[in-house]
Amino acid sequence: AQTVTQSQPEMSVQEAETVTLSCTYDTSESNYYLFWYKQPPSRQMILVIRQEAYKQQNATENRFSVNFQKAAKSFSLKISDSQLGDTAMYFCAFFAFGGATNKLIFGTGTLLAVQP
Amino acid sequence: EAQVTQNPRYLITVTGKKLTVTCSQNMNHEYMSWYRQDPGLGLRQIYYSMNVEVTDKGDVPEGYKVSRKEKRNFPLILESPSPNQTSLYFCASSPLWAGTTAEQFFGPGTRLTVL
Repeated sequence: AQTVTQSQPEMSVQEAETVTLSCTYDTSESNYYLFWYKQPPSRQMILVIRQEAYKQQNATENRFSVNFQKAAKSFSLKISDSQLGDTAMYFCAFFAFGGATNKLIFGTGTLLAVQP
Repeated sequence: EAQVTQNPRYLITVTGKKLTVTCSQNMNHEYMSWYRQDPGLGLRQIYYSMNVEVTDKGDVPEGYKVSRKEKRNFPLILESPSPNQTSLYFCASSPLWAGTTAEQFFGPGTRLTVL
């Protein structure tokens, strides 16, 4: 069964600094997608970044980038130049599209606080 | 505007009183799913649907039913709610077309309290 693990329940970072959120996953599938979602206090789920497993190049979206290590089954999120608006819960998620499960599986989340 | 809508947004009910939470998307997505979010557990998938009349269990389906009679709608039914179903519920949809990235588009959430 696929699992997603986020080992950091809470993290804190100073404004303008860089922070890295960790995520590991376990799967026997070869074709899958990985996502980071942000959930601010409004509770809305917002896609931050996505990575296709077949792509070796790490995805980037402005201040957000990932370090995707397929062999190690690791998918960390780096936030550069942290801003107060980055304060949120961050969820790592895995989707084996077309695989045996067709389920989106989430980690338990990391609560990030950006301090002024 | 492309969106996923859920109704109601907030609901307080009593044990055993049947309820339905509606979900609708206007993006012609094949894939729709329901999740519940509980503190410390993240989001867990309840049911999902690959297309009209095709539904399957997620990781926590007990106590829930779904139907997919139309492509745009995917209601969640609690026939006899219990207090352990008090949670925040999200509906989401995603395209399954070749070349898409399986991004899930989420609704705004429904806060359910069962007394």
